[in-house]
Amino acid sequence: QSVLTQSPSVSGAPGQRVTISCTGSSSNIGAGYDVHWYQQLPGTAPKLLIYINNNRPSGVPDRFSGSKSGTSASLAITGLQGDDEADYYCQSYDSSLSGSVFGTGTKVTVL
Amino acid sequence: EVQLVESGGGLVQPGGSLRLSCAASGFTVSSSFLSWVRQAPGKGLEWVSVIYSGGSTYYADSVKGRFTISRHNSKNTIYLQMNSLRAEDTAVYYCARELPGGYFDSWGQGTLVTVSS
Repeated sequence: QSVLTQSPSVSGAPGQRVTISCTGSSSNIGAGYDVHWYQQLPGTAPKLLIYINNNRPSGVPDRFSGSKSGTSASLAITGLQGDDEADYYCQSYDSSLSGSVFGTGTKVTVL
Repeated sequence: EVQLVESGGGLVQPGGSLRLSCAASGFTVSSSFLSWVRQAPGKGLEWVSVIYSGGSTYYADSVKGRFTISRHNSKNTIYLQMNSLRAEDTAVYYCARELPGGYFDSWGQGTLVTVSS
């Protein structure tokens, strides 16, 4: 069960900026737990995109950035490119579940 | 290089059992946190279970009492024993390494489990 809510889809033209929101509650993001983001291309395993709210692993372009405030977090993609078309998931920890939780997922479409 | 390779998926009847394996290389499972994450066809990611370096294990409510996570240190492998399988357990099962910051930095390629008569 997903306890982190994301908008189902966002779209933008090449070069534009899009943002993806991730809304949680007082037992996960609101409790101070960090938020992480993953990119999943069709037919492949998820790939870590942002960790601990706003850090990029080596090799991830700086077009991707994350932020967190209160019970929500967001992922921004600037300079949108065709190969950014993918599903994006946020993830955090939930103290009431004693485990990780993922967002519902957002499909990014490049027009 | 860190690598995770899952195996053991397949077709199983409702009520049946299956054991998934995740062979790790490039790091030691006994000193790591390792999770199983699943994805039903066309659906999102769902965390299933974790085994911590100290041996503690936790499960999602949806599998508690039916699934068991374990590890074999000398084989550097973790397992997911799945019993009393239901149609809703049909999914690709990924194993993933969790770093102390709470994020999954490495994922396997996944193994498909289909529960159907």
